[in-house]
Amino acid sequence: GDSVTQMEGPVTLSEEAFLTINCTYTATGYPSLFWYVQYPGEGLQLLLKATKADDKGSNKGFEATYRKETTSFHLEKGSVQVSDSAVYFCALGGNNFNKFYFGSGTKLNVKP
Amino acid sequence: EAGVAQSPRYKIIEKRQSVAFWCNPISGHATLYWYQQILGQGPKLLIQFQNNGVVDDSQLPKDRFSAERLKGVDSTLKIQPAKLEDSAVYLCASTLTTSGSNEQFFGPGTRLTVL
Repeated sequence: GDSVTQMEGPVTLSEEAFLTINCTYTATGYPSLFWYVQYPGEGLQLLLKATKADDKGSNKGFEATYRKETTSFHLEKGSVQVSDSAVYFCALGGNNFNKFYFGSGTKLNVKP
Repeated sequence: EAGVAQSPRYKIIEKRQSVAFWCNPISGHATLYWYQQILGQGPKLLIQFQNNGVVDDSQLPKDRFSAERLKGVDSTLKIQPAKLEDSAVYLCASTLTTSGSNEQFFGPGTRLTVL
């Protein structure tokens, strides 16, 4: 069945460091891929998405490219800020009546 | 546009008691999801509705959990009786339809603590 695997955290970085959070997926058909972010005490918010192979999603300086050949959707940001501290979830959806599958989440801590 | 509303935000109960959560999705969204998120884990789908019909409830523990969406809008999720392992955040989400690649919009969640 469909599934998502993402790197475990926590990830601790200094401000302005480069961020990569790895995400790989297993899916039938042609799902869309998403990154959601969860700030403390809040629900999940969509960060970015890509709907087909080679698409690049981007938002707030974050970006991720839908790589079908490597079944990956890694999240990157060139220079993180303290305000980026949150938990990041990779997800796939769109197949099977738009059922979503979430990774286990990666907690990011950014220190000043 | 108003987001997904959930209540209560927090609930503390003792084991074997019952509890109910309420969700109001974004206006016009036909599909509604309930997830359970245990601390340190990703959301786990409990049940998915399309209008007032159930699309998927394969991971809903039906001996104690129930959910309904009678008029295809609001939904309630009930646990009766609660167990210690039900302590989690219960998230409600909605999408416009089940077709295509519509993003899910999430509510703030209800944090349940079972003592």
